[in-house]
Amino acid sequence: SQTIHQWPATLVQPVGSPLSLECTVEGTSNPNLYWYRQAAGRGLQLLFYSVGIGQISSEVPQNLSASRPQDRQFILSSKKLLLSDSGFYLCAWRQWKGRSGNTIYFGEGSWLTVV
Amino acid sequence: SQKIEQNSEALNIQEGKTATLTCNYTNYSPAYLQWYRQDPGRGPVFLLLIRENEKEKRKERLKVTFDTTLKQSLFHITASQPADSATYLCALFSNTNAGKSTFGDGTTLTVKP
Repeated sequence: SQTIHQWPATLVQPVGSPLSLECTVEGTSNPNLYWYRQAAGRGLQLLFYSVGIGQISSEVPQNLSASRPQDRQFILSSKKLLLSDSGFYLCAWRQWKGRSGNTIYFGEGSWLTVV
Repeated sequence: SQKIEQNSEALNIQEGKTATLTCNYTNYSPAYLQWYRQDPGRGPVFLLLIRENEKEKRKERLKVTFDTTLKQSLFHITASQPADSATYLCALFSNTNAGKSTFGDGTTLTVKP
């Protein structure tokens, strides 16, 4: 069966420090991968998605970046964090199946507090 | 721009009653719609998917309807239990490989014993 791992689960970082959140998926190949951010009490905002190695699409302008160095690895990074980067970050994957319908599966999330 | 509205931020009901959550959308022609459950501090968990050509889908005590004319989906939990208390998110998906989605802000359901 497929599983998704995301880490770290919680981190507190000072303003201006770098960030690296990592996500790996097991039990599938060539998945679509996603990074979402969720502000408290709000829905999910899509930040980045990737349909293949090295292919990254950004949905919103920000000081974050994403990379996909391997098929099942997705990394969210920042060179200098801002206070507004605080939030709950979720990695997710999806297996494209054409018109048969698709489901997005989420990791457990990473709580980021920028102080 | 695409927009999703879920009927209310919070819904409180008595145990045993049916909970009905609403999801309305504008400026979107989704291929399908999904409902997720999210517990505090956890990632969303998939519940049900309904396609554009389907009117209703059921799974145990859950029922989802999808009206593409009204641009609305209703999510029902029958015989609700306190364990059903959570935030429920609806999400619209286009039928492309990237599978970009738009999520609503969620409705927090509290079922009181």
